[in-house]
Parts: sequence; structure tokens; C-alpha cells
Amino acid sequence: DAGITQSPRYKITETGRQVTLMCHQTWSHSYMFWYRQDLGHGLRLIYYSAAADITDKGEVPDGYVVSRSKTENFPLTLESATRSQTSVYFCASSDKRGKYNEQFFGPGTRLTVL
Amino acid sequence: RKEVEQDPGPFNVPEGATVAFNCTYSNSASQSFFWYRQDCRKEPKLLMSVYSSGNEDGRFTAQLNRASQYISLLIRDSKLSDSATYLCVVSPPSGYNKLIFGAGTRLAVHP
Repeated sequence: DAGITQSPRYKITETGRQVTLMCHQTWSHSYMFWYRQDLGHGLRLIYYSAAADITDKGEVPDGYVVSRSKTENFPLTLESATRSQTSVYFCASSDKRGKYNEQFFGPGTRLTVL
Repeated sequence: RKEVEQDPGPFNVPEGATVAFNCTYSNSASQSFFWYRQDCRKEPKLLMSVYSSGNEDGRFTAQLNRASQYISLLIRDSKLSDSATYLCVVSPPSGYNKLIFGAGTRLAVHP
């Protein structure tokens, strides 16, 4: 049971480059989420998705793009990376039938933008 | 004002100690409440849900005070393995299974 996976786990890129972070879950959960975690801010929601082809902005969406053509995948793209996007990115999923909105997180991607 | 506020700590306690964390939330219409645990450089994981009546899971007790809009977590008989960051989490009334996370309280248990 793979659960929820993220790739790559570590990424170093340069300012202005496009970067895509992948998220894959095997539970067929309806909801998927992307967060970034920075010191002092905790987890901040970037984008979320209620189902395939349904996505919406979270608290900090600027500079990011998402898509969800299949239930199990929810890639996050940084169209033109900036140094302020250096962070740890977590993907999460939850089942609308699940208990009390529990979210299950992937292991995270550590992104450094030089 | 942040929607969920926590004391960042760190709380440095000896093994066997009892330690308590509080957090406050700003939206009185918030629906569900949780404590998540996050180990260093790892993903957050659900520790326990928090009910209005208070609930206990082994050495952990969580309480919710809706009138004052605060949530607490009590850890009894602390173990070295309890060292982690504890995230206070609130579900807003907007639905979509969204959660709002506090920045976390760091706990360090020493021998």
C-alpha cells in the first residue's frame, strides 16, 4: 500500500526555471491539497482540489499552477521559480467520506531556488 | 491576526513530566479541531481529534473550549519519543475538507 508519494524528494533549481512537483495517491481520495511550510508560518495552503478537474486557490496561490486530470495525481507547477519559493512542499489527501477531515500527507519535497 | 495561534516554544521538559500546550483560533464558526504531530523534517500526522467533551488517548488528553476559542493538549509522563512539533489544526466552516494549521509548538523531552 503505497499511500501518498511525492517526487522528487529534493530539487535544486535556478530563478526563472519551471519546476513541477508530483503527487500521487493510491487511495482514490476525493480531496487533494498542496501546502508549503516555512519557518514561522507553519503549513500554508497553496491549492486544493475536490475532485478530478476541480481545483481552487488556497491562501498563497501566486506563482503556482495545478491540474488534476486524474483522481490520483495532483501536480504542482512553479511557472517561473523565485527565491521566495524555496520551501518544503507537502501534498495531502483526504476522503470526503472519511472521519473528521483527516488529511494524510506525503513525505514532502524540499525545493531550493538559487 | 493569525487564524490559529500557538506558542512556538520550545518546551524543554524532563522525562516523566506533564506538559500542556494551548492554542487559540479566531473563527468561532470553525467545525472540527485536531492535534497533529510533526517530527523533524517529516510529514505531519494526525495525533488526535478534539471533542467538546474532551477526550483522552493514553497519555494524551485534548480539550476544546468553544466559548473562549481555545484548544489544549496535555501530555502526561513524557517520553523521549514525544519530542516533536505539535500542530494545532482547525477545520473552517467553508468545507472541502480544508484545514488551517497553526505554526506549531516544539517539545523537547530530555533524560
